[in-house]
Amino acid sequence: DAKTTQPNSMESNEEEPVHLPCNHSTISGTDYIHWYRQLPSQGPEYVIHGLTSNVNNRMASLAIAEDRKSSTLILHRATLRDAAVYYCILRDPIYSGGGADGLTFGKGTHLIIQP
Amino acid sequence: DAGITQSPRHKVTETGTPVTLRCHQTENHRYMYWYRQDPGHGLRLIHYSYGVKDTDKGEVSDGYSVSRSKTEDFLLTLESATSSQTSVYFCAISEIILDRGNYGYTFGSGTRLTVV
Repeated sequence: DAKTTQPNSMESNEEEPVHLPCNHSTISGTDYIHWYRQLPSQGPEYVIHGLTSNVNNRMASLAIAEDRKSSTLILHRATLRDAAVYYCILRDPIYSGGGADGLTFGKGTHLIIQP
Repeated sequence: DAGITQSPRHKVTETGTPVTLRCHQTENHRYMYWYRQDPGHGLRLIHYSYGVKDTDKGEVSDGYSVSRSKTEDFLLTLESATSSQTSVYFCAISEIILDRGNYGYTFGSGTRLTVV
């Protein structure tokens, strides 16, 4: 899996938007950008994924740069429950055994939400 | 909800004893995984399975063995536990729930193992 770079930690206030950046300058044309998060004392959970276009779901939005060398996970209105470690992961569904050979996690970004 | 249950949730064991952790899933998923998570290292893949009796090694497989005799159960065994295997262990399943063949992963709640 291609490498991603994320800040170690970020802090935000409750009910404000949060923009979590991820750099992936060596991304290939077939790599999808996946985001997972891990709440305290829980296993990671899927947040969102995308290839080229911006994506929205009930949890978050994913903004992908035009050159795809970076992306931003956007939490539109952070709550205390969004305090977690957020992981940005690249996956190629074709060349990674169909994507079933396991995720490779980096250190992620520890998001702190202040009340 | 992928219906993943890990047992036990917590275990303390002595160095040199065998330990088996169990991951049980209720939805007939083909792919199952064992990860460990340690401070400073993040989550690392130990072993994974792509079907009954079909398993493969991950990044940190030394000292661990796995078995999958039934689709629903994936067992992780530490033959002779060492203090370096003190960790939080997560089981996961994957399925094609996303587009274009992308797999989504669902994790269990973890087993906290302490080897003294």
